[in-house]
Amino acid sequence: AQSVTQLDSHVSVSEGTPVLLRCNYSSSYSPSLFWYVQHPNKGLQLLLKYTSAATLVKGINGFEAEFKKSETSFHLTKPSAHMSDAAEYFCVVRAQAGGTSYGKLTFGQGTILTVHP
Amino acid sequence: SQTIHQWPATLVQPVGSPLSLECTVEGTSNPNLYWYRQAAGRGLQLLFYSVGIGQISSEVPQNLSASRPQDRQFILSSKKLLLSDSGFYLCAWKTSGVSYEQYFGPGTRLTVT
Repeated sequence: AQSVTQLDSHVSVSEGTPVLLRCNYSSSYSPSLFWYVQHPNKGLQLLLKYTSAATLVKGINGFEAEFKKSETSFHLTKPSAHMSDAAEYFCVVRAQAGGTSYGKLTFGQGTILTVHP
Repeated sequence: SQTIHQWPATLVQPVGSPLSLECTVEGTSNPNLYWYRQAAGRGLQLLFYSVGIGQISSEVPQNLSASRPQDRQFILSSKKLLLSDSGFYLCAWKTSGVSYEQYFGPGTRLTVT
């Protein structure tokens, strides 16, 4: 079975400082991993995805994530936070294809990012 | 390009009333479709998914049902709403091919009173 753990429920940073949102995953095979962002009362937007190509993945809005198999981690980073980055972020792993699980995603519990001026 | 629509955006319904939420996708064919619920302080819970017209898989036994009458239309229904049905309902789609990412609609905020 696949699972994902977001290590921080809340992260607070100052504008212009780096952002680090931590995610560990568990998977019995090579996973596909994603980060989504959700602003209040909005749908989820895909930030970036890892699908067994380059381990450092660049996404939209200056975010990037590094897949580290030895650490089973997929942390999300951004060099300099902007006020508009304040939102909830979800780390997601794809369930194994085939059978009744085809295409299913397993979501972490989310990390709320607060950005202070 | 592909777009996904959900309506209504917000809904307030009394306990025991029926429910119908609609989701439509444009710009793609034969998508996989998903209904999620997001309750306050909790993550996303997959409710139903569909790989084709009339094909519905339920993930969690509950008071809700889903239907897919057309290729790009996905409907979430209930005959009698419960207080516990309150939440933020999200529809999502993915291509039926090998890509795995899902794309989400804007959501419907349902409050059962």
